[in-house]
Amino acid sequence: DIQMTQSPSSLSASVGDRVTITCQASQDISNYLNWYQQKPGKAPKLLIYDASNLETGVPSRFSGSGSGTDFTFTISSLQPEDIATYYCQQYDNLPTFGQGTRLEIK
Amino acid sequence: EVQLVESGGVVVQPGGSLRLSCAASGFTFDDYTMHWVRQAPGKGLEWVSLISWDGGSTYYADSVKGRFTISRDNSKNSLYLQMNSLRTEDTALYYCAKDTGSSGWFDYWGQGTLVTVSS
Repeated sequence: DIQMTQSPSSLSASVGDRVTITCQASQDISNYLNWYQQKPGKAPKLLIYDASNLETGVPSRFSGSGSGTDFTFTISSLQPEDIATYYCQQYDNLPTFGQGTRLEIK
Repeated sequence: EVQLVESGGVVVQPGGSLRLSCAASGFTFDDYTMHWVRQAPGKGLEWVSLISWDGGSTYYADSVKGRFTISRDNSKNSLYLQMNSLRTEDTALYYCAKDTGSSGWFDYWGQGTLVTVSS
């Protein structure tokens, strides 16, 4: 199985801050990497697919980059509605998720 | 509008069995691979199983292999998860998720059904 190591596990930031989350794969997964947002009590929502492509309707303050084993997810200017847990997910092989990053407002 | 509605979650004793269902609508069900993903209380997401569009291919996470069976009935637009030999660590919210095709990632999710394994 491909292991996904996501960091940090939690993050506190202020409105307007730039926020970055990283995800490392245990082997090369090319760009087969997605990012999801999960708000409390809700199902996950796809934000970024193929490492860097913004899903339709997702605000442009969200972005993703990387390939191979190292990936980054960025919120350029944190908004109050971005409070959620974020997960990376690889699909080079059977799907696996990172451990999640819980994002809070400072 | 794509809709996925899970059902069947209950409280069950360790060693027991349960069958989850997912009713799909708003898309051509038999064009897509489907998945089950679970989330233990307060924990992260764990992929459980997938089934190809025609049911011909199925895959499982190691944690459920040999105990869970995924199936589908394309005539009923329905996905199923038969869960046997349940363990306390199977306690989770179980989501049905639609694949984007057969790629291994998820563009639509249900709201989940809660399975609690407890004596």
